[in-house]
Amino acid sequence: KAGVTQTPRYLIKTRGQQVTLSCSPISGHRSVSWYQQTPGQGLQFLFEYFSETQRNKGNFPGRFSGRQFSNSRSEMNVSTLELGDSALYLCASSIRGQGQSSYNSPLHFGNGTRLTVT
Amino acid sequence: KNEVEQSPQNLTAQEGEFITINCSYSVGISALHWLQQHPGGGIVSLFMLSSGKKKHGRLIATINIQEKHSSLHITASHPRDSAVYICAVRGNYGQNFVFGPGTRLSVLP
Repeated sequence: KAGVTQTPRYLIKTRGQQVTLSCSPISGHRSVSWYQQTPGQGLQFLFEYFSETQRNKGNFPGRFSGRQFSNSRSEMNVSTLELGDSALYLCASSIRGQGQSSYNSPLHFGNGTRLTVT
Repeated sequence: KNEVEQSPQNLTAQEGEFITINCSYSVGISALHWLQQHPGGGIVSLFMLSSGKKKHGRLIATINIQEKHSSLHITASHPRDSAVYICAVRGNYGQNFVFGPGTRLSVLP
């Protein structure tokens, strides 16, 4: 079974531009979550999608957005890039279902997209 | 006070040593995850725990819900265990993940 695929692996953008990152989950996984990792702040949760609906959102400004398609693939978008957005962006998929009893299932991470904003 | 704390921050061990990494948290949780991150960024999920103890090969994870504490143990450590180990918790009602700062482990041959 193919793992979680993130594209692109590396990206260099200029301040003020926008960027779209893509994540293809493991086949059969319906939940996709996104994370930002920086040396200063560590890993931080961005958002989580299940069945094309955002289920949870972390404490990030509105410039960060995402969506999930009917095939469970997900994209995240960052508009008006700032230098501080330089980070490793990771996505993870899980087989999580719907409802309280199924909040938790193991996460499967992609290799990440390393974004550099200059 | 951070919601999730880990100790130690850095750990250097000799090959073969028994290693313990600790995680404490301050909120009610539905599950705790232990993650391993090697240089280069890839993250692997090692364990997901909501109670008791789990074992996988040389790795053992335990959790004490009453004390809000979890430990990750590595028996017979090996240089390939060198990585950053991250503890993450998810709230009682499936809220957002909160991550610990990580423990950087170096195992010397």
